[in-house]
Amino acid sequence: DVQLVESGGGLVRPGGSLRLSCAASGFTFSTAWMSWVRQAPGKGLEHVARIKSKNDGGTADYAAPVNGRFTISRDDSRNMLHLQMNSLKSEDTALYYCTTLCSGGGQCDFWGQGNLVTVSS
Amino acid sequence: DIQMTQSPSTLSASVGDRVTITCRASQSISSWLAWYQQKPGKAPKLLIYRASSLESGVPSRFSGSGSGTEFTLTISSQQPDDSATYYCQQYNNFPYTFGQGTKLEIK
Repeated sequence: DVQLVESGGGLVRPGGSLRLSCAASGFTFSTAWMSWVRQAPGKGLEHVARIKSKNDGGTADYAAPVNGRFTISRDDSRNMLHLQMNSLKSEDTALYYCTTLCSGGGQCDFWGQGNLVTVSS
Repeated sequence: DIQMTQSPSTLSASVGDRVTITCRASQSISSWLAWYQQKPGKAPKLLIYRASSLESGVPSRFSGSGSGTEFTLTISSQQPDDSATYYCQQYNNFPYTFGQGTKLEIK
């Protein structure tokens, strides 16, 4: 069975840092492009970061609201995805999903259960 | 970023009704459009990809159409289990932007 299990969320003060992790199993992680999608409480979905597979260059992309503050990385030897979040703001408060975001079909679209990050003083 | 606009924001329909949700992109995305279903406390689930292709395992009462900038999701005969929020999403350009969501309720 496919599993994406996020960890590392919690309460942090504005300006602080947090590192989210996602443990993947049940599919070939090394060939998957991986993303973080967040959802603020009661709001819609926002794609914030993506990292390509190493075969496809391994490059990372960031949405404008997090560019320069967040860093996505992967460890294919451990099937792990990470999101380092620095200079956190109250508007970063959200449930963060680890996902393959395989929107093109083919039964490769997998999501974690989400991990809550709360930025508040 | 490409903006995605859905209508309506909320929809109330009876069991057996035909339901249609519309999604508009701020620029042409060809057919790079997906529809997701999200139930409370759960992760989104892919229903439709490439505007009109049904993901494996999704009931055939769900269908999608459109290309360019105008798209629709149709449920041919709404069932109680379809009560959820539906999002369109473009995957033509990064970031893969979502519509604001349509909350579908059973009347």
